[in-house]
Amino acid sequence: AQSVTQLDSQVPVFEEAPVELRCNYSSSVSVYLFWYVQYPNQGLQLLLKYLSGSTLVKGINGFEAEFNKSQTSFHLRKPSVHISDTAEYFCAVSESFQKLVFGTGTRLLVSP
Amino acid sequence: DVKVTQSSRYLVKRTGEKVFLECVQDMDHENMFWYRQDPGLGLRLIYFSYDVKMKEKGDIPEGYSVSREKKERFSLILESASTNQTSMYLCASIGPGRNEQYFGPGTRLTVT
Repeated sequence: AQSVTQLDSQVPVFEEAPVELRCNYSSSVSVYLFWYVQYPNQGLQLLLKYLSGSTLVKGINGFEAEFNKSQTSFHLRKPSVHISDTAEYFCAVSESFQKLVFGTGTRLLVSP
Repeated sequence: DVKVTQSSRYLVKRTGEKVFLECVQDMDHENMFWYRQDPGLGLRLIYFSYDVKMKEKGDIPEGYSVSREKKERFSLILESASTNQTSMYLCASIGPGRNEQYFGPGTRLTVT
């Protein structure tokens, strides 16, 4: 069975500082990995995805993530955050695209 | 652009009522999903459907049923609502050959 761990439930950061949101997964087979963002009172929007190939994946809004197979991690990074990045971020894993297993989410709080 | 819509953004129901949550997608997607989102638990899959009249249980189907009479519409039914079903409900869909689930805006259901 697959599982996803997002150890940080909340990450406070100042505007223009870098940020890393951590995601670790477990699976016995090859997986696809996703980061979704949820702005207040909205549904989920895909930030980026790893399917195969280059382990560094670039997404929307300046975010990127690195797939590390040996450490079973897929951490999300942004070199300089904005107030508008305040949201909840979900890491998800899937063996096929049909069924996603989500982590518990990390709330990113950006303050001026 | 894929559009997934949900019939209500906010809903308040009484314990014991029968509740219908409706989801419609406009991209002719085969697969549709219902998740519930709770703080600290992330998103958990309730049911999914891979074709009209076809359904499969997800991780937490107890207390819920679903209906898929038309390809574009997937309904979640709470036969007898209980207070522990107070939650955010999110619908998603994915089409053949696609690798991204598209989410609706969510329905925040409160059962009193």
